[in-house]
Order: sequence, then C-alpha cells, then structure tokens
Amino acid sequence: EAQVTQNPRYLITVTGKKLTVTCSQNMNHEYMSWYRQDPGLGLRQIYYSMNVEVTDKGDVPEGYKVSRKEKRNFPLILESPSPNQTSLYFCASSLSLLREGGANVLTFGAGSRLTVL
Amino acid sequence: AQSVAQPEDQVNVAEGNPLTVKCTYSVSGNPYLFWYVQYPNRGLQFLLKYITGDNLVKGSYGFEAEFNKSQTSFHLKKPSALVSDSALYFCAVKRIAAGNKLTFGGGTRVLVKP
Repeated sequence: EAQVTQNPRYLITVTGKKLTVTCSQNMNHEYMSWYRQDPGLGLRQIYYSMNVEVTDKGDVPEGYKVSRKEKRNFPLILESPSPNQTSLYFCASSLSLLREGGANVLTFGAGSRLTVL
Repeated sequence: AQSVAQPEDQVNVAEGNPLTVKCTYSVSGNPYLFWYVQYPNRGLQFLLKYITGDNLVKGSYGFEAEFNKSQTSFHLKKPSALVSDSALYFCAVKRIAAGNKLTFGGGTRVLVKP
C-alpha cells in the first residue's frame, strides 16, 4: 500500500530532551515536507525537501532540523524541544513539483502528536 | 504574500441536506487551489484541485468546488451530505509558478447529524 509512515504517533517529552520524528514513504516521491497543525492556524510548513540532499526552510523552521540522506526518509529533529513545540506534526510527500507543473497532490502521514512539558 | 480564509470554524448540517464549506483566498497572479479532508486520527486526504479550465471541479466522495475568480473564492459543496462526511476540511492555495509555497486555511469542522 502506498503510504507515508510517521513514528512515533504519540510522544510526551520534557523540555530540552532531543527527539526525532521519523517519516518514510514508499512511493518514490521526490518531494517531502513537514507541517505542524495548531488549532485555528491550519497547517504551517516547517521544512521541505525537493530531493535527496536538498532541503529548505518553510514558514516556521525555528527549533527544528531535517535531513534527506535517502529518498524515502525525511526525519524531523527537535534538538532542544520547548513547550511551544507542542503540536500535531504531519509529514507529506509528492511527486516532483516540476513533474506536475506545481500542482502536486500531497500524500500525508497519519500524524505525530507531540507534547513537550 | 498569499493567504486563505475559511470563515466558519464549524458547519452543522443534517444528513441529506446540501453542504457548503467556504474558502476565500488572496494571491498575486493565478492560483492553484486545493481541498483536503482530515478524518479523526488520520492524515489529510486530497479531495480535489483547480488548475485551469472549467470553474467547476469534481472530486472524490461526491464533492465539488467552484472557482470564482472575481470573488476569489473556492467553496466546497456536496449536494447531499452523509454522516460519514463529518471531518475537518482544509482549503489551500498556491501561486502558479511560485514553486513550493502552499498555504493552508485554518480548517472548517463539518458535523453532519443523522
């Protein structure tokens, strides 16, 4: 089944304890992205990657890091989590923006709910 | 800058009645417009998109949306709502030829009552 898999789905942690949320897709998609969802704010993009070894900041990158060493994986790293990073996180992927003329349809993971105490 | 407004936090509708979820956008130039739906404890799923051409776009699960350039709107509609349509709906906009930037609205919760 074509899918985007995120882990963990739920996590409670404490301020300053480094954590990684993994994201993997099995559709050979070039484009991958991380979003956070907060009530009333919709989805805001954290980081995105156009392809392997190519990453760039989205709208709210502060406090986050990403890497894209392999095409299928795009982990989100919180080096020193803070309470304002408590949120619902989504990873998404799609075919290349160039291939679909920019109107690429995103496939989303099921989400990772993170609580930072 | 581009933005999306979904003016209603929640829409309540009786099963079998028409459903409308409103979306207005602001973008310089021509837009790509999308609707996604989020069911409880699930990721977002694509419903439909407008690229160009016919202003009425048909999508999954019987949904459709009408692009209105003069009113900068892209309202989502379904002629007869089902209880299973209860979910969170997101409108999103991207400026053509603007690369990656996709902006989501705040979401509208739809509750369909039996």
